[in-house]
Amino acid sequence: EPEVTQTPSHQVTQMGQEVILRCVPISNHLYFYWYRQILGQKVEFLVSFYNNEISEKSEIFDDQFSVERPDGSNFTLKIRSTKLEDSAMYFCASRETGLEPQHFGDGTRLSIL
Amino acid sequence: AQKVTQAQTEISVVEKEDVTLDCVYETRDTTYYLFWYKQPPSGELVFLIRRNSFDEQNEISGRYSWNFQKSTSSFNFTITASQVVDSAVYFCALSEGGGGADGLTFGKGTHLIIQP
Repeated sequence: EPEVTQTPSHQVTQMGQEVILRCVPISNHLYFYWYRQILGQKVEFLVSFYNNEISEKSEIFDDQFSVERPDGSNFTLKIRSTKLEDSAMYFCASRETGLEPQHFGDGTRLSIL
Repeated sequence: AQKVTQAQTEISVVEKEDVTLDCVYETRDTTYYLFWYKQPPSGELVFLIRRNSFDEQNEISGRYSWNFQKSTSSFNFTITASQVVDSAVYFCALSEGGGGADGLTFGKGTHLIIQP
């Protein structure tokens, strides 16, 4: 069964550095998402992406964050200048149409030192 | 604004007991979707079920069953004859509108511990 793939599984970065989290959504999917889960807390929506542009974003998704679909397969989340509070698990998700459930990747654990 | 409440932070039961996880939601939309996801200790999110707001029929899948009641804005999840492998955090989630690019709003999750 096709799945959403996220790399790396664990990223360690110094505070203030830029980080890019990578996702390969399921190939025929059209809607893409990023979510964040701080350790022990709930999963929080960050941003959705459709037709090569952001469709919706939450209050968390400020100017430090950006998303990109640089080619036909990858979907990336960039954090420009990381802060300690950015430490979390980041999940990518995709869906084929607006009516199908979202399929989640296994997540990237981001640790900011 | 939408909101999902899972009042049970942690539930511990002995294997083979039945257990119900509660979920209460708030939304102003008449069209919405409700979901349950399982997060085992390994951390991934596993999709369990989706219901739309126009389908109040209860659903059963093996040992799992879901009770959707619009009158009480609840979407509860029952595991019958629980097993140790059911131990996980379970999240209820809501998506407003007809789908599309809407993100999911998750509850805080219920940590289910099944003791052997």
